[in-house]
Amino acid sequence: DIVMTQSPLSLPVTPGEPASISCRSSQSLLHGNDNNYLDWYLQKPGQSPQLLIYMGSNRASGVPERFSGSGSGIDFTLKISRVEAEDVGVYYCMQALQIPLTFGGGTKVEIK
Amino acid sequence: QVQLVQSGAEVKKPGASLKVSCKASGYSFTGYYMHWVRQAPGQGLEWMGIINPNGGRASYTQKFQGRLTMTSDTSTSTVYMELSSLRSDDTAVYYCARINMILHAFDLWGQGTVVTVSS
Repeated sequence: DIVMTQSPLSLPVTPGEPASISCRSSQSLLHGNDNNYLDWYLQKPGQSPQLLIYMGSNRASGVPERFSGSGSGIDFTLKISRVEAEDVGVYYCMQALQIPLTFGGGTKVEIK
Repeated sequence: QVQLVQSGAEVKKPGASLKVSCKASGYSFTGYYMHWVRQAPGQGLEWMGIINPNGGRASYTQKFQGRLTMTSDTSTSTVYMELSSLRSDDTAVYYCARINMILHAFDLWGQGTVVTVSS
């Protein structure tokens, strides 16, 4: 199984400041079609997860431009250019390359 | 309205079985594979398995082999997740999630079903 490792575990942020979350996989998520099968989800308190970024760097429909994803192979990053209060929650990366799908342990973003 | 609506909260005793439903609406039910993901209290997300609603073929993660069964009913656009021989560590919120094979991501989630296993 592919192991997904996220850091940090917790991320206190100041509104208006940038934030960055790292995700590393135990094997490359780069498919032969040049797509990285790495997704990012945000689970707001008391809600189901919601898709933010798919295939490493593509914002899902309706996701604000302040969210961006980058990386390739085994190292990926989610960045929030200017954190807003509504961005609090737990962020998960997930590899969609092979079954079983696996998630990172999550990064809890909270406002300072 | 495109949505997945799951059945309500359950309380079960150890050793019992659980069946959670996930009703799809607003899109072509047989056009998307469905997955089940669970989340233990205060923990992260754990993938359980996948089902093709068109035909019902399913695949489960090794951890649940022998205890987990996923089925589908195209007449009601509903998928089911059945977990047997429940233990206290099966206490979790269970989610169904639709995978979009163009995005290779879960683009639609159910609201979650809270399951408590306790004697």
